[in-house]
Amino acid sequence: QVQLVESGGGVVQPGRSLRLSCAASGFSFSSYVMHWVRQAPGKGLEWVTVIWYDGSNKYYADSVKGRFTISRDNSKNTLYLQMNSLRAEDTAVYYCARDGVYGSQTPWYYFDYWGQGTLVTVSS
Amino acid sequence: QSALTQPASVSGSPGQSITISCTGTSSDVGSYNLVSWYQQHPGKAPKLMIYEGSKRPSGVSNRFSGSKSGNTASLTISGLQAEDEADYYCCSYAGSSTYVVFGGGTKLTVL
Repeated sequence: QVQLVESGGGVVQPGRSLRLSCAASGFSFSSYVMHWVRQAPGKGLEWVTVIWYDGSNKYYADSVKGRFTISRDNSKNTLYLQMNSLRAEDTAVYYCARDGVYGSQTPWYYFDYWGQGTLVTVSS
Repeated sequence: QSALTQPASVSGSPGQSITISCTGTSSDVGSYNLVSWYQQHPGKAPKLMIYEGSKRPSGVSNRFSGSKSGNTASLTISGLQAEDEADYYCCSYAGSSTYVVFGGGTKLTVL
């Protein structure tokens, strides 16, 4: 069965960095576009970033552009999110999510499987 | 403020039908057939309920249906059941600048 397991969350001071990982199993990871979506405590969902199946293209929400970097290692079936210059407003549960279409050259921008999320708290 | 507008809450009795609206603009909902809906129970990850406006993933009850008219998408749940009580979020592709927008979420209460 499809599984996405995030890790790497924790408490970090403003201005510092953190790297999240998402281990994928149960499907052909290298054939899917992948996303990160976050949810601040008690708030709604916010899309963060997307990466093509082969890592050739990456797009970001304006709120994280220039600070966050998405990457993937298809040999390890793992998705990453490098977060630099963290701010209090980045505090959220971060979910990795699979794009909905197998083998698509471009994203379809809907998310058919989600991980359980990892909490990032930015606080001094 | 979210890019897509949803009612903060809706309620209904078991067996009834409810509809949740999701209003966007001609730059997102109105321009693309890429609206999706997600159900989220407290402390859980979101679950895909509807994609491409009206398609249901395998395993999702046919009590859930989606539609779109102009800049507004809708999720209808018929034959309400206690387990439908959750938060619901709409989502749309918004073009090659903004990419993805979500609604603020709607809390469904089954009375």
